[in-house]
Amino acid sequence: GNSVTQMEGPVTLSEEAFLTINCTYTATGYPSLFWYVQYPGEGLQLLLKATKADDKGSNKGFEATYRKETTSFHLEKGSVQVSDSAVYFCALSPLSGGSYIPTFGRGTSLIVHP
Amino acid sequence: NAGVTQTPKFQVLKTGQSMTLQCAQDMNHNSMYWYRQDPGMGLRLIYYSASEGTTDKGEVPNGYNVSRLNKREFSLRLESAAPSQTSVYFCASSENWRGGFFGPGTRLTVL
Repeated sequence: GNSVTQMEGPVTLSEEAFLTINCTYTATGYPSLFWYVQYPGEGLQLLLKATKADDKGSNKGFEATYRKETTSFHLEKGSVQVSDSAVYFCALSPLSGGSYIPTFGRGTSLIVHP
Repeated sequence: NAGVTQTPKFQVLKTGQSMTLQCAQDMNHNSMYWYRQDPGMGLRLIYYSASEGTTDKGEVPNGYNVSRLNKREFSLRLESAAPSQTSVYFCASSENWRGGFFGPGTRLTVL
């Protein structure tokens, strides 16, 4: 079946540090890949996505590249801010029997200190 | 354009009580989903509705029922609540999961 594996958190960084959150996946075919962000007390928000190999998704300074050869979609940001503190979820969505059922990773908590 | 709305935002139940969580979307999406989120478990799919008039079980359907009332609304019912159903419940809608839109969640405690 499909699965998404994320690095365990929490990830604790100082402001302006470089961020990487690893995500690898297992899927048949060519899924779309997503990163979501969840701020405390809120629902998930789509952060960025990529729909085919070598695509780079980007938003709000975050980037992730769809690497089919390594089945990875690592999230990066060059300089994190305190306001980036949140939980980040990696996800994939294949076409399955006509229904698009996404599979989520377990989430990685990011804590950024001033 | 409110996106995905959920009611209530918070609820406390006693074991054995029933309740219905409501979800509505105004984006004309065909597909709607119910998830639960528990610490360390990520998001787990309870039920989904690929289109109006259809519903299917997800990963953890036991103890729940759903109704796709129309294209906009997708409700989740707990017939006899148990402490194991204490969780945060999220509704989502999408068109072919090009990203998905999530509601703000319902925080449910079962005593």
